[in-house]
Amino acid sequence: QLQLQESGPGLVKPSETLSLTCSVSGGSVSSKSYYWGWIRQPPGKGLEWIGSLFYSGTTYYNPSLESRLSISMDTSKHHFSLKLSSVTAADTAVYYCARAMIFGSLVPYYYAMDVWGQGTTVTVSS
Amino acid sequence: DIQMTQSPSSLSASVGDRVTITCRASQSISNYLNWYQQKPGKAPKLLIYAASSLQSGVPSRFSGSGSGTDFTLTISSLQPEDFATYYCQQSYSTPPETFGQGTKVDIK
Repeated sequence: QLQLQESGPGLVKPSETLSLTCSVSGGSVSSKSYYWGWIRQPPGKGLEWIGSLFYSGTTYYNPSLESRLSISMDTSKHHFSLKLSSVTAADTAVYYCARAMIFGSLVPYYYAMDVWGQGTTVTVSS
Repeated sequence: DIQMTQSPSSLSASVGDRVTITCRASQSISNYLNWYQQKPGKAPKLLIYAASSLQSGVPSRFSGSGSGTDFTLTISSLQPEDFATYYCQQSYSTPPETFGQGTKVDIK
């Protein structure tokens, strides 16, 4: 059964780069049937979609974060990563990685996040 | 970006009640609508995808309906384990995929 696990520093200083890794076990990251994504949740607030990474290497980013964001994959090491630069207190959140099903026969395809990591808390503070 | 608006933001209900949560999109999204359940301190869990398809392993008391801009999540008979926050999410126009603000279901 596929499992995802986020890891990375729990505390990041303002203006620095937040780096997180999502380790994938029990399955392959090399599948055209899924994308790999990041979602975050500020304390006491709702969910915000950060971005997605497809098997082809194509990435899609939330426009609100795009200028600071990079998502990449290391298939040989079975993990994918998020880097968010120039962080501020507004980036304090629980960060989740997730797998999304891709289905449907026509564009746009359907996406639904069916497997999630447990989440990791990142605080931006000096 | 497509805006997703849920109503109500919170509700109180009793075990056995029928509960309905509404999600409205700012423009038509066909049936590109998912529902998630989140319990405190836990990751969200996929309940319904493509507006009305039940995710594997999810109890049949959960159902979804709707198309275009208006969608509903119904819990036919609320169980103790269903007290949680529920989010809708659109994947029609992306990026970004967008979530509703959430509906918290608590015990009356």
